[in-house]
Amino acid sequence: GAGVSQSPRYKVAKRGQDVALRCDPISGHVSLFWYQQALGQGPEFLTYFQNEAQLDKSGLPSDRFFAERPEGSVSTLKIQRTQQEDSAVYLCASSSDRGASTGELFFGEGSRLTVL
Amino acid sequence: QQQVKQSPQSLIVQKGGISIINCAYENTAFDYFPWYQQFPGKGPALLIAIRPDVSEKKEGRFTISFNKSAKQFSLHIMDSQPGDSATYFCAAINGGGSEKLVFGKGTKLTVNP
Repeated sequence: GAGVSQSPRYKVAKRGQDVALRCDPISGHVSLFWYQQALGQGPEFLTYFQNEAQLDKSGLPSDRFFAERPEGSVSTLKIQRTQQEDSAVYLCASSSDRGASTGELFFGEGSRLTVL
Repeated sequence: QQQVKQSPQSLIVQKGGISIINCAYENTAFDYFPWYQQFPGKGPALLIAIRPDVSEKKEGRFTISFNKSAKQFSLHIMDSQPGDSATYFCAAINGGGSEKLVFGKGTKLTVNP
């Protein structure tokens, strides 16, 4: 596709429900990132994949958060037993190998999660 | 711990004026400094970026100034237009390290007609 595609764009979950957010990166981009953006704040790093390998998951806030990219393309961010503090926009970004080291990322429009 | 500090939080400028956003960092391992622009409901988009061995980079109306000794850098938007109204984020990365891009908290720019 022309850009990074994320779905769903909006998700409302009841506290305790599990959610799954999908990211379709730009074709050929080996690097994929997930960021969390709270209202009025800058994006905060969650996790990073190079192809199918998850190289850094230091930003995941708890073990309720899990990300995968099994075939090195599409990625899914899963949040189990959602809490109100999980409400945020979840941004996916992809980049070339060089772009990953220079911070030149291509972001999707995000998935806005609201936990009631 | 805020790795990249950004100011001001919000900025209102008249059309044709100069918008200036400032950022500061502590980690001297950072070796690339991109700026992102974000419109409401959209993801951030790369605007312009600079390496620390360059003191200034200009692309159209957008200029980054970099002061390595002070560990500060800034974005100048010349001849600001209403279409520039957006939130701007400075960011930094240690490309040889964790490849984790860290963002400032953002500056909401409003350019009045």
